[in-house]
Amino acid sequence: NAGVTQTPKFQVLKTGQSMTLQCAQDMNHEYMSWYRQDPGMGLRLIHYSVGAGITDQGEVPNGYNVSRSTTEDFPLRLLSAAPSQTSVYFCASSYAGQQKAFFGQGTRLTVV
Amino acid sequence: RKEVEQDPGPFNVPEGATVAFNCTYSNSASQSFFWYRQDCRKEPKLLMSVYSSGNEDGRFTAQLNRASQYISLLIRDSKLSDSATYLCVVILMNYGGSQGNLIFGKGTKLSVKP
Repeated sequence: NAGVTQTPKFQVLKTGQSMTLQCAQDMNHEYMSWYRQDPGMGLRLIHYSVGAGITDQGEVPNGYNVSRSTTEDFPLRLLSAAPSQTSVYFCASSYAGQQKAFFGQGTRLTVV
Repeated sequence: RKEVEQDPGPFNVPEGATVAFNCTYSNSASQSFFWYRQDCRKEPKLLMSVYSSGNEDGRFTAQLNRASQYISLLIRDSKLSDSATYLCVVILMNYGGSQGNLIFGKGTKLSVKP
């Protein structure tokens, strides 16, 4: 019973590099979302998706892209990493209309 | 003004103490309310939903006051294992009535000491 799986768990990038954070869920949830968590800032919504083929921006979308080609997967792409993107990233999923969200274990990203 | 505000703490309490966390939200269109728990360096996990009539789950009691836009969590008989950060979460109703996204408070850190 995997739930929400995020990879990698840890990553160090150089400024300007690109990478993709992977998120997969096996619960057939319609809603998926990406948050970043910074000290003193709490969890902030980056992008979200209400179903395959549908994505939208959250509170802090700049510098990130997402796509949702399948129900299961919702990757987050950093186009050109910046030190300000050093953070812990969480992916979450839930059923539409059911508000309990399940979170992945997080990705700790450092941009140097 | 932040949409969901919490006292950041930390709250340092002895085992067995009763501790209360408060949370206020700014948007009266807020639809649903929750408390999540986050252990150090772990993901948030749902602790309990919050209903207008108040609800209890063992040692935990949650209450909602829509008129004051205020949510509370009471923990009785604190255990060492209750040490964590407690996140207040609201969901706004989207235009058109569909469910919105989770909006998190910054969290209140609780440390229960022997």
